[in-house]
Amino acid sequence: EDKVVQSPLSLVVHEGDTVTLNCSYEVTNFRSLLWYKQEKKAPTFLFMLTSSGIEKKSGRLSSILDKKELFSILNITATQTGDSAIYLCAVARSGGGADGLTFGKGTHLIIQP
Amino acid sequence: DTEVTQTPKHLVMGMTNKKSLKCEQHMGHRAMYWYKQKAKKPPELMFVYSYEKLSINESVPSRFSPECPNSSLLNLHLHALQPEDSALYLCASSQPGSGETQYFGPGTRLLVL
Repeated sequence: EDKVVQSPLSLVVHEGDTVTLNCSYEVTNFRSLLWYKQEKKAPTFLFMLTSSGIEKKSGRLSSILDKKELFSILNITATQTGDSAIYLCAVARSGGGADGLTFGKGTHLIIQP
Repeated sequence: DTEVTQTPKHLVMGMTNKKSLKCEQHMGHRAMYWYKQKAKKPPELMFVYSYEKLSINESVPSRFSPECPNSSLLNLHLHALQPEDSALYLCASSQPGSGETQYFGPGTRLLVL
């Protein structure tokens, strides 16, 4: 059975701090790992990672994948209160067609002013 | 445009009612998904449609009946639901074989009384 484990499950930091969120996975026929941000409603896509060692960056957020050690990290620098959300890690399998995502339980990040 | 729309936003129904949730996307995606998300839990896959054919049913009870009338639309018909079916129902879409970047709609928050 596929497994996605995120840590920590919750994190409280002050505005301006840097945070690192972790995601480890065990999945048959791995294709990609995705990070989403979820506030009140739908998960919003952040990154998709397929290759090891290539950092993806978007503003203050960055992410990298290690396919040998089967984990990914999501970094957020200079955090702001608007970064408060649940960050979900998900993995997709390769199978030639569409496949659902398997999600971790998420990291609930709270940024205090 | 990465928009997936869902209606209604909120739905309250009794256990004997029949209702439908609707999802629409105009990104040309040929894979569409239904997920169920309970409070403080990650999304769980229910159904996958690929090229308008049901390809994955994650052992969902028959009181949930999906339908994909065309490549842009996805419905979820509900009948004789139980209070434990109360949840956020999320629709997503992607292009099969593209690495599975799934884009989510805002969800329908369902309450079964």
